[in-house]
Amino acid sequence: GAVVSQHPSRVICKSGTSVKIECRSLDFQATTMFWYRQFPKQSLMLMATSNEGSKATYEQGVEKDKFLINHASLTLSTLTVTSAHPEDSSFYICSARVQGMNSPLHFGNGTRLTVT
Amino acid sequence: AQKITQTQPGMFVQEKEAVTLDCTYDTSDQSYGLFWYKQPSSGEMIFLIYQGSYDEQNATEGRYSLNFQKARKSANLVISASQLGDSAMYFCAMQNTGFQKLVFGTGTRLLVSP
Repeated sequence: GAVVSQHPSRVICKSGTSVKIECRSLDFQATTMFWYRQFPKQSLMLMATSNEGSKATYEQGVEKDKFLINHASLTLSTLTVTSAHPEDSSFYICSARVQGMNSPLHFGNGTRLTVT
Repeated sequence: AQKITQTQPGMFVQEKEAVTLDCTYDTSDQSYGLFWYKQPSSGEMIFLIYQGSYDEQNATEGRYSLNFQKARKSANLVISASQLGDSAMYFCAMQNTGFQKLVFGTGTRLLVSP
């Protein structure tokens, strides 16, 4: 159980275009999902907390107008990278928790974004 | 603010040997949780083990155990009987109860040799 599905796994886009990444909790409901970003050989950095039915909470330094997050249902959160630039190329990974504050986060398989 | 420190960028171990990956943390909260995740080269994050700050016993999950020393604020991961498939990045992470987000350390790359 506790499967998080993320799509697409890889995407290449041209500079200036927008890319949408989907994160789904397949067998549980997630009122909160988390979006992380990981540069090569670095750790995961939390970008934002996605809350079902309300606005996302962004970490300091993350541009909310560039990284649009929508959490329209209890099983789906989307991250849209708007007007992507080469510096946005990275590994984006979403996660969700089944229930309980100290239960582990379950992660999607990540999306490798390359902006050319 | 929470901080997780992993001082070993890389570790080498021979197959079937045990290895300890270090993790220290800093928090002013009394209630928190500590997690270890494994990230193979394919990128997915695999949950390994959890330790709550109030847990008196060290957590164990199969070949994984967590050496929790609260006074020293350390939560080292011990992998026994290493296998080639254990080669991966390992991340220590902490969450303060009341905040749902997880903060990660910089990771340790483990290489298991035959």
